[in-house]
Amino acid sequence: SQTIHQWPATLVQPVGSPLSLECTVEGTSNPNLYWYRQAAGRGLQLLFYSVGIGQISSEVPQNLSASRPQDRQFILSSKKLLLSDSGFYLCAWSDDRNTGELFFGEGSRLTVL
Amino acid sequence: DQQVKQNSPSLSVQEGRISILNCDYTNSMFDYFLWYKKYPAEGPTFLISISSIKDKNEDGRFTVFLNKSAKHLSLHIVPSQPGDSAVYFCAASVRSGGSNYKLTFGKGTLLTVNP
Repeated sequence: SQTIHQWPATLVQPVGSPLSLECTVEGTSNPNLYWYRQAAGRGLQLLFYSVGIGQISSEVPQNLSASRPQDRQFILSSKKLLLSDSGFYLCAWSDDRNTGELFFGEGSRLTVL
Repeated sequence: DQQVKQNSPSLSVQEGRISILNCDYTNSMFDYFLWYKKYPAEGPTFLISISSIKDKNEDGRFTVFLNKSAKHLSLHIVPSQPGDSAVYFCAASVRSGGSNYKLTFGKGTLLTVNP
């Protein structure tokens, strides 16, 4: 069966520090991968998606970047965090079935102070 | 521009009664609609979906209705149980660039089912 894991689960970082959130998927190959953010009082906002190794599409201009160094690994990064980067970050994957169903990881709570 | 709207941030119902969660959308290109359930500090989990060619899909206590002309869908939970208490997200997808689907989510509705 397929599983998705992301870490760390909780992170408290000062403004201006770097960020790296990692996500891995097991039990499937060539998944579509996504990073979403849930900010306080808001819905889920799509940040990045990837259809293959090294292929990244950005949905919104921001202080963050994403990379996919391996087929089932997706990394969210920042060189210098802003206060507005605080939120709940969710990695997700989907397959090639003809649906829009996403499978989400457990989430990473980022607090920027 | 918010393409998927859940205008009720919260809903409270009594155990055993029906819960009706509503969702409106503006993009007529959406061809698949989904409901996700989310508990605090966890990732959302898929609940039920409906294709744009259908107007109803039922799975146990959960039924989703789609009214394309009104660009409206709703999730019915009957009977409601305390364990259903969670945030419910409505989502819609448009096929883009092959098999990749991108989901657009609403802001969510917090459902509280009281014993």
